[in-house]
Amino acid sequence: AQSVTQPDIHITVSEGASLELRCNYSYGATPYLFWYVQSPGQGLQLLLKYFSGDTLVQGIKGFEAEFKRSQSSFNLRKPSVHWSDAAEYFCAVSSGGYNKLIFGAGTRLAVHP
Amino acid sequence: DVKVTQSSRYLVKRTGEKVFLECVQDMDHENMFWYRQDPGLGLRLIYFSYDVKMKEKGDIPEGYSVSREKKERFSLILESASTNQTSMYLCASSSISGDEQYFGPGTRLTVT
Repeated sequence: AQSVTQPDIHITVSEGASLELRCNYSYGATPYLFWYVQSPGQGLQLLLKYFSGDTLVQGIKGFEAEFKRSQSSFNLRKPSVHWSDAAEYFCAVSSGGYNKLIFGAGTRLAVHP
Repeated sequence: DVKVTQSSRYLVKRTGEKVFLECVQDMDHENMFWYRQDPGLGLRLIYFSYDVKMKEKGDIPEGYSVSREKKERFSLILESASTNQTSMYLCASSSISGDEQYFGPGTRLTVT
């Protein structure tokens, strides 16, 4: 069965530091992969997505993610974190038809000044 | 911009009440989804719909039903609310050929 694992429940970084959020997936075919962000009290906003082609994808707000098929990973990165990046981040894989998504448990990011 | 709206941001209901959560999207999307979000569990799919009057169960449909009488509106129904249905409920939509799901702001439901 398809699944998504985000190993880190909470991460704290200092403002200006680099960030990497981990995501591992289990999916038989070529996956469609997504990263969403949820700010406090808000719905989810798409940061970036991978379908095919270049394995390094750029997203909004300065985020990027790299698809590594050999490691079944799709880690999210940002070179310099801003206080406004404090939020919960969800990795997801598209499962079958109708664009259904399977989500990971989420990683909550805190940013220290 | 795609807009998905949900009828309430916060809702408090009593055990045994029938609860309706409404979701409306303005982009003529074919697909609509209801998720439940709980800490440490991420989002779990309750039901989805790919056309008017069409629905499919997701991963956790027990205790819920849905209704889609118009393309833009997708309702989640708790026939008899229970305390274990206290949660955040998120609605989303996507086009039939699209890839991204667009989310509403969520309804935080408390059942006492």
